[in-house]
Amino acid sequence: GAGVSQTPSNKVTEKGKYVELRCDPISGHTALYWYRQSLGQGPEFLIYFQGTGAADDSGLPNDRFFAVRPEGSVSTLKIQRTERGDSAVYLCASSRGLANDNEQFFGPGTRLTVL
Amino acid sequence: AQSVTQPDIHITVSEGASLELRCNYSYGATPYLFWYVQSPGQGLQLLLKYFSGDTLVQGIKGFEAEFKRSQSSFNLRKPSVHWSDAAEYFCAVVGYYGGSQGNLIFGKGTKLSVKP
Repeated sequence: GAGVSQTPSNKVTEKGKYVELRCDPISGHTALYWYRQSLGQGPEFLIYFQGTGAADDSGLPNDRFFAVRPEGSVSTLKIQRTERGDSAVYLCASSRGLANDNEQFFGPGTRLTVL
Repeated sequence: AQSVTQPDIHITVSEGASLELRCNYSYGATPYLFWYVQSPGQGLQLLLKYFSGDTLVQGIKGFEAEFKRSQSSFNLRKPSVHWSDAAEYFCAVVGYYGGSQGNLIFGKGTKLSVKP
């Protein structure tokens, strides 16, 4: 079946603009995660959802970042007033649930460049 | 707080040689450990995972890893490296929130280059 998909694959924007990044998880997966991967670093947790609700958003760096999952499937990560430091690859992952042994399946990521 | 350390940023091995990538974790209880591989332009792919039981874990593509509690390590090994193994490898541990899986905490990664 289809894996996790993310759109767009690349996004170039100017400082101060608003961007939306979309994640389409594997069908039937109730848990969805967002990570950010800066150059030369491992992925860093941003937020995760169980169903429609954000179970933990402690990784969001500041209030310019927000994510939603209104119907418990597709999720959108929203970044307001983008800054150059927001440039990174944003990864989405999904899993069958929040049990500890559930594998997280990752999408290919969206590369965000803020000029 | 949990953390993962991958001490080697970049490793080069010859094709056919053996490989060991190091991973150390910091966590008080029994950790849930993972190794992922990331090829250019590709998403992270799970190689193997450890939750409990046998400390030697077999994964895909001929990889294995050994959990050593006394050393807080979970090193990845492969007896004979293929050119297609060139990629970046990430070790990760589950962050615990009330007993359920939360986020994964990743190391900074080890980039593997393979010489012909």
